[in-house]
Amino acid sequence: DIQMTQSPSSLSASVGDRVTITCRASQNIVTYLNWYQQKPGKAPILLIYDASRLFSGVPSRFSGSGSGTDFTLTISSLQPEDFASYYCQQTYITPPVTFGPGTKVDLK
Amino acid sequence: EVQLVESGGGLVEPGESLRLSCAASGFKFSIYDMHWVRQAPGKGLEWVSSIVTTGRYINYADAVRGRFTISRDNAQNSLFLQMNSLRAEDTAVYYCVRESKLERLPFDYWGQGTLVSVSS
Repeated sequence: DIQMTQSPSSLSASVGDRVTITCRASQNIVTYLNWYQQKPGKAPILLIYDASRLFSGVPSRFSGSGSGTDFTLTISSLQPEDFASYYCQQTYITPPVTFGPGTKVDLK
Repeated sequence: EVQLVESGGGLVEPGESLRLSCAASGFKFSIYDMHWVRQAPGKGLEWVSSIVTTGRYINYADAVRGRFTISRDNAQNSLFLQMNSLRAEDTAVYYCVRESKLERLPFDYWGQGTLVSVSS
C-alpha cells in the first residue's frame, strides 16, 4: 500500500497569513494527489485534484503543486473560514485509496 | 444538486451487525463508482470499500474484508454496506462518497455521514 505522510500535523496561523502544508507519498504517484478540507462535524470537501487543479467553486487562494512523491497545498491569504483540517489522498495505486493523517490549521 | 444521505448507523454490541444505506439524488447514480470512507472519533479518514457502476468489481480494506459487504441498487439509486461481526475498532462516522469523473478520480461528493458505535 502507498503510505501518505503530512507535515506539519498542526499549525497555528493568523488571518491573512500564507500557509503551506506538505504531503509526501511512499512512492511515485505522478500527480494522482487530491486535497480535502474538513471542518469539525462536517464531511470533507474536495479542494484540489490532480495535484494542482482547483475543484469547481473553490476560492483561488487555494493552490496545489508537486509531482512524484512531494506535494504542497498553499493558502495564499488565510481567511476565517479556512480554519479546518486538511487531508491529502492518493488515487494512483488502488485499492486501497489512502489518505494522509491530516493537518489541523487553527487560530494563533 | 448532488445529494448523498446515509442512514442506518447506531449503537451495537461487539459481534452484532448493521446495514448502512445511502440514498443518492441529483445525478445519474448508475454511471458512478461509489465508496464508503470512515472516520473514527478524533482520527483521520480511512477508505473502507468501493464498488463499480455495475457492481461487478468490489474492493475492501484489509480491516473489513470478510466482515463487510458493499452493494448497490441502481434502480433505487442506493448504496449499501452490510457490516457483520462488528468490533470496537469499527466505531466511526461512515461516509458515502462518489468517485468523480475528473482527472485522477478524486472523491467529489460526500454524504453527511452516519455514526456507528460498537460498545458493550
